[in-house]
Amino acid sequence: DSGVTQTPKHLITATGQRVTLRCSPRSGDLSVYWYQQSLDQGLQFLIQYYNGEERAKGNILERFSAQQFPDLHSELNLSSLELGDSALYFCASSVGGTVYNEQFFGPGTRLTVL
Amino acid sequence: DQQVKQNSPSLSVQEGRISILNCDYTNSMFDYFLWYKKYPAEGPTFLISISSIKDKNEDGRFTVFLNKSAKHLSLHIVPSQPGDSAVYFCAASEYGGSQGNLIFGKGTKLSVKP
Repeated sequence: DSGVTQTPKHLITATGQRVTLRCSPRSGDLSVYWYQQSLDQGLQFLIQYYNGEERAKGNILERFSAQQFPDLHSELNLSSLELGDSALYFCASSVGGTVYNEQFFGPGTRLTVL
Repeated sequence: DQQVKQNSPSLSVQEGRISILNCDYTNSMFDYFLWYKKYPAEGPTFLISISSIKDKNEDGRFTVFLNKSAKHLSLHIVPSQPGDSAVYFCAASEYGGSQGNLIFGKGTKLSVKP
């Protein structure tokens, strides 16, 4: 158990809908990362927050947004969902915001868009 | 275009023998490299890392080698154990580590047979 929790574990929804994925980082970790793993793909970095502020951004679609709240939990919002958004979404957390701080991954949320 | 490539989707080795997982990268600005291990239904876990100023880093049974001129790194597991069976992801970072975002390969599935 990495100490990072993600809810829900599974999510099935329809095209055009909007969903929210939630992540609670390990106690004491200030940085949260979101990654997307599509079928047969490696993990694609989406976005990083550090202590409530956006630190780095990857190839995150405009239909996707995220935020980190004062209690350090984070939410990833996906809207106008398309079939291609079906994927595993991982959240990770680390103490600091640099690559030298080990990232601890949650178990992921599996999103299926029908 | 993939910046981190793991060209072998799978690898099978006998227990007790050496496992060698390979990774190639294209971006010469990458300066920090990591390996993650992933079991089914779990998030990835950090295994070992190496900075571009080194060419080797060892941690128990795991050794990572970096060949900057060839833009190639490899992970050696000696001796391999059945519990090492997992998907191994190679990841890289640039920006001198100032940001935490990682660029992952697609992974290599290692099967260690008893």
